Amino acid sequence: NAGVIQTPRHKVTGKGQEATLWCEPISGHSAVFWYRQTIVQGLEFLTYFRNQAPIDDSGMPKERFSAQMPNQSHSTLKIQSTQPQDSAVYLCASSLDDWGGADTQYFGPGTRLLVL
Amino acid sequence: GDSVTQTEGQVTVSESKSLIINCTYSTTSIAYPNLFWYVRYPGEGLQLLLKVITAGQKGSSRGFEATYNKETTSFHLQKASVQESDSAVYYCALGDRAQVVGQLTFGSGTRLQVYA
Repeated sequence: NAGVIQTPRHKVTGKGQEATLWCEPISGHSAVFWYRQTIVQGLEFLTYFRNQAPIDDSGMPKERFSAQMPNQSHSTLKIQSTQPQDSAVYLCASSLDDWGGADTQYFGPGTRLLVL
Repeated sequence: GDSVTQTEGQVTVSESKSLIINCTYSTTSIAYPNLFWYVRYPGEGLQLLLKVITAGQKGSSRGFEATYNKETTSFHLQKASVQESDSAVYYCALGDRAQVVGQLTFGSGTRLQVYA
């Protein structure tokens, strides 16, 4: 099992450009989560999907951020018109979708985004 | 809202000495918390160290232990004798057992440095 895969591992963008981050969950996991980690704010929840459906996006900035899960094998987090304050490590996690295993989330290595 | 407070910053311990990293949580919405300790070793991704879903229960892994105390809303991480290989960043996290799938709320992380 390859674990959760995130690409790219590092991304540098100029202010105002778009950034798309990719996540491939563990096969068989139908819940996918996105978190953001900064030194100031720590690890913050952004959004999650269950069986590809968006369930809770309460942590997503209302402007410029969007997430999708077009199929069970990948999810994307898109940031439009990136700003320096978007610089962070973006973590994707997946979990099983049943009472027996849904409480454990498995994290990917993260994408480090730097906006210049 | 929900929040997790843990020992801030860095903890430095001599090898073979005991360790405690404090964690307390606060919640206004979660009736049945799940409590977790995650760890990030140097160069690796965030991974589950241990979890407890029942008040009074003790979780253990790799020589670490944590007991969920509902009265004090605490979940302190302890180890009797640390090793250099335990040097890592440790995160306490809170989940909701009432949800099949749901977000985690993380503490700010505690960096453990063990020296020989």
